[in-house]
Amino acid sequence: DTEVTQTPKHLVMGMTNKKSLKCEQHMGHRAMYWYKQKAKKPPELMFVYSYEKLSINESVPSRFSPECPNSSLLNLHLHALQPEDSALYLCASSQGIWYEQYFGPGTRLTVT
Amino acid sequence: EDQVTQSPEALRLQEGESSSLNCSYTVSGLRGLFWYRQDPGKGPEFLFTLYSAGEEKEKERLKATLTKKESFLHITAPKPEDSATYLCAVQVTEVGDYKLSFGAGTTVTVRA
Repeated sequence: DTEVTQTPKHLVMGMTNKKSLKCEQHMGHRAMYWYKQKAKKPPELMFVYSYEKLSINESVPSRFSPECPNSSLLNLHLHALQPEDSALYLCASSQGIWYEQYFGPGTRLTVT
Repeated sequence: EDQVTQSPEALRLQEGESSSLNCSYTVSGLRGLFWYRQDPGKGPEFLFTLYSAGEEKEKERLKATLTKKESFLHITAPKPEDSATYLCAVQVTEVGDYKLSFGAGTTVTVRA
């Protein structure tokens, strides 16, 4: 089973709201990732967790806050977002940082 | 700087008309090249990993090959369900740099 699940599928939020995106995998993978994807563009890496520790933060604005509660879960906390943050947010996981990544279905985020 | 270029940007095929997609890369040292398929509004689906020149991988109507400077994804006798955007990504051998560098993708449309 190579499934990564993400909730919610769709999210509409105002610029003053606080919301969270959730990602879960049960493949025993030790690396998990958050990507942002705009229309007709490839995914852009935001954060990497390796063995539950933040390994990469690609200079992402502080209004995005990642959290890795355990080896199977990854959250992305959102606060005071801007309309330009509207995008498809993808979670991925891999056996380790040097292995192929498996992506979830994504959360379509719209900031109004 | 690592570069990944995919061509063509878009490819329209008749059902059964075989063709190839190209992914050329300029990197300091290749650790792995990954192919993904992405349907509109969904997360990328992992297809293949290639590690060394001369390597080939096959899955149904898809075959991926690798040389020292490029990779090809061959689609044999495509069907409408093969319509998708195909992304390639590279990972380099440089210590501490394990991010995937994605190409812009090739959007394939197969007409019945």
